[in-house]
Amino acid sequence: NAGVTQTPKFRVLKTGQSMTLLCAQDMNHEYMYWYRQDPGMGLRLIHYSVGEGTTAKGEVPDGYNVSRLKKQNFLLGLESAAPSQTSVYFCASSLGTSGAQETQYFGPGTRLLVL
Amino acid sequence: GQNIDQPTEMTATEGAIVQINCTYQTSGFNGLFWYQQHAGEAPTFLSYNVLDGLEEKGRFSSFLSRSKGYSYLLLKELQMKDSASYLCAVTDSNYQLIWGAGTKLIIKP
Repeated sequence: NAGVTQTPKFRVLKTGQSMTLLCAQDMNHEYMYWYRQDPGMGLRLIHYSVGEGTTAKGEVPDGYNVSRLKKQNFLLGLESAAPSQTSVYFCASSLGTSGAQETQYFGPGTRLLVL
Repeated sequence: GQNIDQPTEMTATEGAIVQINCTYQTSGFNGLFWYQQHAGEAPTFLSYNVLDGLEEKGRFSSFLSRSKGYSYLLLKELQMKDSASYLCAVTDSNYQLIWGAGTKLIIKP
C-alpha cells in the first residue's frame, strides 16, 4: 500500500498562474483533507470531503477550489496564485470522524513557492 | 475562539525524559491526538486519548485531563531520532480537528 501520495512534490509559480495539486489514497478512506502549513502556525484546514462527490470549506478556503470525483482522489486547485499562497500543502485521509477512526494519515506534502 | 497552546521549542538530552504539555480551549471535546513531524516530512500519528488518564505505547505515553483541558506527551529514553516537532490536535464538538502550532524538540548528545 502506498498510503497517501501527492503530486507534485515541489512547484514554483508566478503570481496569477494556476495549478492543481493531486492527492491519492489507497486505503479506501471516506474522508480526505487539504491543509496548509506555515512556519510558526498549526496546520490549517483549507477544504475537506466526507465522501465521493462531496466537498466542504475549512478554515482558510479563499483562493482555493477542490473536487472529489473519485473516492481515492482529492484535487486542490489554485485559480490565480498569490504570494500569500506560498506554503507547504498536505493532503490527509481518515476512515471516519468517530474515535480512533479520526486518525488522519498524511501525504508527503507539496512545497509551493509563488513569486 | 478555539485555541491550543504548546511550548514553541524544548531541548533535552539523549537518554533523558521530556514532557511536552498541551492545553486547549475548544467548543466541545471528542478526542485528542499527538502527531510527530520530522523536518521536511509529513506528520505521523503517535497517540489518541479520549478518556482521562495515561496511555502508554513503548517509550511514548500520553496523558489527558478533560476537566483541566490539558494533555502531555512523555518521551522516555530519548534518542537522537526523536528530534522532531510534536503536534497536539483536538477534535471539537463538530468533529473538526483543531491543531496546535507544534513543539520543536531538540535532542542533544
